[in-house]
Amino acid sequence: AQSVAQPEDQVNVAEGNPLTVKCTYSVSGNPYLFWYVQYPNRGLQFLLKYITGDNLVKGSYGFEAEFNKSQTSFHLKKPSALVSDSALYFCAVRDSRGSGDKLTFGTGTRLAVRP
Amino acid sequence: EAGVTQFPSHSVIEKGQTVTLRCDPISGHDNLYWYRRVMGKEIKFLLHFVKESKQDESGMPNNRFLAERTGGTYSTLKVQPAELEDSGVYFCASSQDRGTGVREQYFGPGTRLTVT
Repeated sequence: AQSVAQPEDQVNVAEGNPLTVKCTYSVSGNPYLFWYVQYPNRGLQFLLKYITGDNLVKGSYGFEAEFNKSQTSFHLKKPSALVSDSALYFCAVRDSRGSGDKLTFGTGTRLAVRP
Repeated sequence: EAGVTQFPSHSVIEKGQTVTLRCDPISGHDNLYWYRRVMGKEIKFLLHFVKESKQDESGMPNNRFLAERTGGTYSTLKVQPAELEDSGVYFCASSQDRGTGVREQYFGPGTRLTVT
């Protein structure tokens, strides 16, 4: 069975500071990893994905994520946070072995960027 | 290009009533998925259509839920009869045919269902 853990319900950061939103996963095969963001009253927006190759993946709005196989982690990062980054962030995993296309999500982390 | 659309955006019904949610995927996307998020918890997979066929319905909670995708275009998710625990946000997503790649899923804005 595949699973995702987002250990922090909320992350608070000051504008201009770097931010990290944590995600760890568990799958039986190789992972396909995704980050989505949900702004208020909006649907989930795709940010980035890791399938294979370079461990550092760059995505939309200046976000990036680093795949770490030994730690089974896929933390989301941004060098300089903006107030407009305040939103709900979801990490998701799909197992490369079986289980079809379905994504397994974490519980979400609310990012609050203060001016 | 229009995104995934869902209707209605909100629905409030009484326990025992029936509700039908609709999803229109991105044009040309053969894959259509339904997910649900119960308040404060993770987003959970319900089922996956490839065109009009159910590829995976392992996440459907029980037989009160019926999903259809006639003609392989839009999809409906009917809950009959609704129970209190069915409350949550129902998301629809679509993706292109996989081919040899892993395609990201594009999500709609969700339908917030409240059962009282």
